[in-house]
Amino acid sequence: ETGVTQTPRHLVMGMTNKKSLKCEQHLGHNAMYWYKQSAKKPLELMFVYSLEERVENNSVPSRFSPECPNSSHLFLHLHTLQPEDSALYLCASSQVFLSSNYGYTFGSGTRLTVV
Amino acid sequence: AQSVTQLDSHVSVSEGTPVLLRCNYSSSYSPSLFWYVQHPNKGLQLLLKYTSAATLVKGINGFEAEFKKSETSFHLTKPSAHMSDAAEYFCVVSRYSGGGADGLTFGKGTHLIIQP
Repeated sequence: ETGVTQTPRHLVMGMTNKKSLKCEQHLGHNAMYWYKQSAKKPLELMFVYSLEERVENNSVPSRFSPECPNSSHLFLHLHTLQPEDSALYLCASSQVFLSSNYGYTFGSGTRLTVV
Repeated sequence: AQSVTQLDSHVSVSEGTPVLLRCNYSSSYSPSLFWYVQHPNKGLQLLLKYTSAATLVKGINGFEAEFKKSETSFHLTKPSAHMSDAAEYFCVVSRYSGGGADGLTFGKGTHLIIQP
């Protein structure tokens, strides 16, 4: 385990369902991120939270809704998704807000399939 | 704007032979550069990072990378491949160095195959 835990590991949902992805870190990091990893494409930054405040929303469709109730937990709420949203969703955290010098710690991801 | 190009989508080497994974970048700023590895069904793990200190960077599992500004390259090498090195490798550049970054730019990845 890397210190960033994502649940569930796998999720299959219909286009009309509502589900949530969860990310948890107890590394004392101040920033958390959601990334989307699709086949044959580079990782895409979706959302960034620093000290529980959203600081980046990378033109993500509104059917994805993030929530950061505290510095240790990050959620991604999903509703009315499309098949093209099927991907691996990765959560990451960093010690300091977006400071790349420290590197990011990634979770193992949630493999999402939309049917 | 910045970008990362991983020159090979797949690299296949025999166990015990050297590994070379190529990465070129472009950046308007002094970049921080990283290599991450992703094993099947796992998240990304940081292998090594360059943040404007020594140009030859040593990482975990015997990997190292050299930052060559004149060539805008940051190739990843390992003297002797092991079966456990089979994975996807990502070259990453940050938009800024030392904080205030706006996120990371990832390459498309190189799939490393180790032949027995």
